Amino acid sequence: AQRVTQPEKLLSVFKGAPVELKCNYSYSGSPELFWYVQYSRQRLQLLLRHISRESIKGFTADLNKGETSFHLKKPFAQEEDSAMYYCANITGTASKLTFGTGTRLQVTL
Amino acid sequence: EAQVTQNPRYLITVTGKKLTVTCSQNMNHEYMSWYRQDPGLGLRQIYYSMNVEVTDKGDVPEGYKVSRKEKRNFPLILESPSPNQTSLYFCASSLGTLYNEQFFGPGTRLTVL
Repeated sequence: AQRVTQPEKLLSVFKGAPVELKCNYSYSGSPELFWYVQYSRQRLQLLLRHISRESIKGFTADLNKGETSFHLKKPFAQEEDSAMYYCANITGTASKLTFGTGTRLQVTL
Repeated sequence: EAQVTQNPRYLITVTGKKLTVTCSQNMNHEYMSWYRQDPGLGLRQIYYSMNVEVTDKGDVPEGYKVSRKEKRNFPLILESPSPNQTSLYFCASSLGTLYNEQFFGPGTRLTVL
């Protein structure tokens, strides 16, 4: 079965520290990976997708096929980055989206 | 305003009493989907629809039904709810396929007693 693994339930960092949210996938085809974010009292929303190779709100994510990873990184964490982050992969002939279990990022002063 | 709406937002019901959670989008999106969110399990896909009259099972379809008679609506039906269906439910839609951004509804918190 296709799986997306986020090993950390909670990641707590200080403001200004680097952030790395881990995501590993198991998929036999070419992965199509996304990071979604849910801020407190807001809807789940797309943060970034690997095909765009973009940087959103200072976050980047690089697909590493050798390690089957798509870790989300930011060099300097801000308080407003505190949220729930989900990694997701398109599976099932591009018809299904499989999410990881999510990592709560807590940025403290 | 372009958005996905869900109703009701909160619902407490009893085992076996049929219920429907509505989902509507005003963005003319082809793809729509239902997810449930449970602590420690993340989001799991229940059903999805690629277009009108085209629906298929996600990863956890047992106990649920859906229909897609119109492009904008994608209701989730629980014919005989059970306590293990107590969860937070999200509807989402995207233009064309999943390669495009999914827009999520606000969520429906369901409690089955």
